[in-house]
Amino acid sequence: DIQMTQSPSFLSASVGDRVTINCKASQNINKYLNWYQQKLGEAPKRLIYNTNNLQTGIPSRFSGSGSGTDYTLTISSLQPEDFATYFCLQHNSFPLTFGSGTKLEIK
Amino acid sequence: QVQMKETGPGLVQTTQTLSVTCTVSGFSLTSYGVHWVRQAPGKGLEWMGIIWGDGSTNYNSALKSRLSISRDTSKSQVFLTMNSLQTDDTAVYYCAETMVTDWGQGVMVTVSS
Repeated sequence: DIQMTQSPSFLSASVGDRVTINCKASQNINKYLNWYQQKLGEAPKRLIYNTNNLQTGIPSRFSGSGSGTDYTLTISSLQPEDFATYFCLQHNSFPLTFGSGTKLEIK
Repeated sequence: QVQMKETGPGLVQTTQTLSVTCTVSGFSLTSYGVHWVRQAPGKGLEWMGIIWGDGSTNYNSALKSRLSISRDTSKSQVFLTMNSLQTDDTAVYYCAETMVTDWGQGVMVTVSS
């Protein structure tokens, strides 16, 4: 199974900050990496698919990059509604595996 | 617009069998697959398996011996069945469509002795 190591687990930031969240795969996942946002009690929302493709309707302050084993989600200027938990998903091979999540909180 | 909704029993006894239903709208189960994913309290997400549009399935090997995913295309429903439940099967159970874009809200299932 491919292990996804996500960091940091917790992030404290302010409105307007630029933040990055990382996922490292235990082997090459060929850019088959999605990013999700989840708020308490809600379904996960896909932000980015296949490393760097912005989901329709998602603000352009969200972006993704990476290749091979290393992937990054960047939020260029945090907005109040961005404080949530973020996680990555590799869908290169079965079983699909997830990062452990990053909780983004207001400083 | 794709919508997905999970329904389940809420509480199940240990050693019993869990049945959760995912009812979908906005797409055909004969054209698209449905994943099952779960999240135990305070834990990460675990992919359980998928039923594809042709009815074939893939399972997480860690759960394969206890897990079955099936469907009723006429009702746009997908079923997760898992036997020999233990307390560590307590989780929120989600369904999601093939591309893992759209998810249901999830259903909390507590396994208790």
